[in-house]
Amino acid sequence: QQPVQSPQAVILREGEDAVINCSSSKALYSVHWYRQKHGEAPVFLMILLKGGEQKGHEKISASFNEKKQQSSLYLTASQLSYSGTYFCGTDTGNQFYFGTGTSLTVIP
Amino acid sequence: EAGVTQSPTHLIKTRGQQATLRCSPISGHTSVYWYQQALGLGLQFLLWYDEGEERNRGNFPPRFSGRQFPNYSSELNVNALELEDSALYLCASSLDFGSNLYEQYFGPGTRLTVT
Repeated sequence: QQPVQSPQAVILREGEDAVINCSSSKALYSVHWYRQKHGEAPVFLMILLKGGEQKGHEKISASFNEKKQQSSLYLTASQLSYSGTYFCGTDTGNQFYFGTGTSLTVIP
Repeated sequence: EAGVTQSPTHLIKTRGQQATLRCSPISGHTSVYWYQQALGLGLQFLLWYDEGEERNRGNFPPRFSGRQFPNYSSELNVNALELEDSALYLCASSLDFGSNLYEQYFGPGTRLTVT
């Protein structure tokens, strides 16, 4: 039931782009994205709903393929502050599970 | 606006004892979620309460239990503590489930250490 994220880890140089994928085996009502910096609590980034509605961060975008139960988070022109572990959260209607996590490190 | 608060910050217990962790949601939020985050691991869903009712629970044994009070604060109880229960326990709150765009706001967590 736990969604699978890929890649598990990625290292970027400042200014580079990255894509993080999240895949579920169940039909989804929505997908959430959160970022957790080391030693801190997760912080909300985005929500994507079935039907296309979304709410989130100005500089981060994401997509939600309802048919494939997949979501992707797009980080463009990465900044040092983007470093952290990214989790997707999937809502199947009455269950909510966080993904396996993707560690992203941005270096100068 | 005050965020999600959790107490205590740290808790040290011995194997077999019981632990009680507390969470106060953001004002106006009726849903409370509990997660376990073992060192280096992801967020494992424990429990979800909404309007005082347990809506769902994750794949954890019955010795993990909780409740939500009329003021929407919540308590997580872990009985018969085992060494592998040592983890950071995170509480999150959100608007009620029917609000569609219900992002979760996390508290700072309670670090439980079982010796």
